[in-house]
Amino acid sequence: AQSVTQLGSHVSVSEGALVLLRCNYSSSVPPYLFWYVQYPNQGLQLLLKYTSAATLVKGINGFEAEFKKSETSFHLTKPSAHMSDAAEYFCAVSEGSSASKIIFGSGTRLSIRP
Amino acid sequence: DAGVTQSPTHLIKTRGQHVTLRCSPISGHKSVSWYQQVLGQGPQFIFQYYEKEERGRGNFPDRFSARQFPNYSSELNVNALLLGDSALYLCASSFARGANTGELFFGEGSRLTVL
Repeated sequence: AQSVTQLGSHVSVSEGALVLLRCNYSSSVPPYLFWYVQYPNQGLQLLLKYTSAATLVKGINGFEAEFKKSETSFHLTKPSAHMSDAAEYFCAVSEGSSASKIIFGSGTRLSIRP
Repeated sequence: DAGVTQSPTHLIKTRGQHVTLRCSPISGHKSVSWYQQVLGQGPQFIFQYYEKEERGRGNFPDRFSARQFPNYSSELNVNALLLGDSALYLCASSFARGANTGELFFGEGSRLTVL
């Protein structure tokens, strides 16, 4: 069965600092990987997705993630944090090319210090 | 254009009651999925409907059921509510059937509290 593990339930960085949110996956087939963001009292919004086309994936709001098969990782980064980046971030994996469901990690809450 | 809309936004029920949650997908989207998000956890997959047929089911008891209507809107029903059913219920729509081939667009959710 596929799963994702997000390391760190809470990450705090200063405004302007590098953001690094960690995600490791487990999959017996080539995975499709996603990062979603959830702002308070809102639904989830797709930041970016990996579908085997390129290992470095660029998303919205300056975020990007790199797929590393040897490390089974898909960490999310942003060079310079902004106050508006404060939110909950979820890493997710799907169960194959025709899969109907996405499996989410437990989430990482990102706080930005002024 | 309207996004995914869910109703009601908040509701309170007591143990043993049943609840019906509603979802209207983005116009043109034929797939609707339901997720349960318990406080402090990631969303968990409950159901997917595509073209009015169930295409996937998560590890939830038979108290949970859903259906999709000809206009592609959907209802999630939960019977015999338990305290543990308290959660944010998220609906997501997409044009394609597979979670990989199309982006999932989420509504803001229905927050259910069971007392």
